[in-house]
Amino acid sequence: QVQLVESGGGVVQPGRSLRLSCAASGFSFATYGMHWVRQAPGQGLDWVALTWYDGSHKYYADSVKGRFTISRDNSKNTLYLQMNSLRAEDTAVYYCVRDSGYDYGGNSGDHWGQGTLVTVSS
Amino acid sequence: DIQMTQFSSSLSASVGDRVTISCRASQNISIYLNWYQHKPGQAPRLLICKASRLQGGVPPRFSGSGSETGFSLTISNLQPEDSATYYCQQSYSTPYTFGQGTHLEIK
Repeated sequence: QVQLVESGGGVVQPGRSLRLSCAASGFSFATYGMHWVRQAPGQGLDWVALTWYDGSHKYYADSVKGRFTISRDNSKNTLYLQMNSLRAEDTAVYYCVRDSGYDYGGNSGDHWGQGTLVTVSS
Repeated sequence: DIQMTQFSSSLSASVGDRVTISCRASQNISIYLNWYQHKPGQAPRLLICKASRLQGGVPPRFSGSGSETGFSLTISNLQPEDSATYYCQQSYSTPYTFGQGTHLEIK
């Protein structure tokens, strides 16, 4: 079955960096686009970034553009989110999400990890 | 960016009722609208993609409809386990924005 396991969260000071990882299993990782979605405490879901199956195209929310970088290593079945210049408002649970594909699922998020908590605080 | 609006932030209904949750897009998104269910402490779950396509394993009590700018999620014969927050999301163009969420309470 599809499994997505995030790691790398923790407490970090404002202005510092953190890298999240998502280990994927149970499907052909190299053939699926992948997203990061976050949820700040007491808030709703917030789409962060998308990478195509081969990493050739990447898209970002305006709030993270220029600070966050999504990447993947298909040889390791792993998705990453490099977060630089972190701010207090980046505090959230970060979810790794598999893209359903355009034709069938219209680029919806059909499988989600359990999330990893990032807290930005001094 | 496309703005997604869910008009109700919370709803309350009884077991066996039918409820409808609405979602509006700020521009035409065709049928690229998804619905998710999110319970505290759990990962969000995709219920419906492309406005009306039910995901495998989702009870047929859940249904979606709409196109262009107006969409709805209907839950028939409400069950206690349907207590959750429901989010719409457009996947027509990036950034793939979510609505604010509708919290459904089962009385």
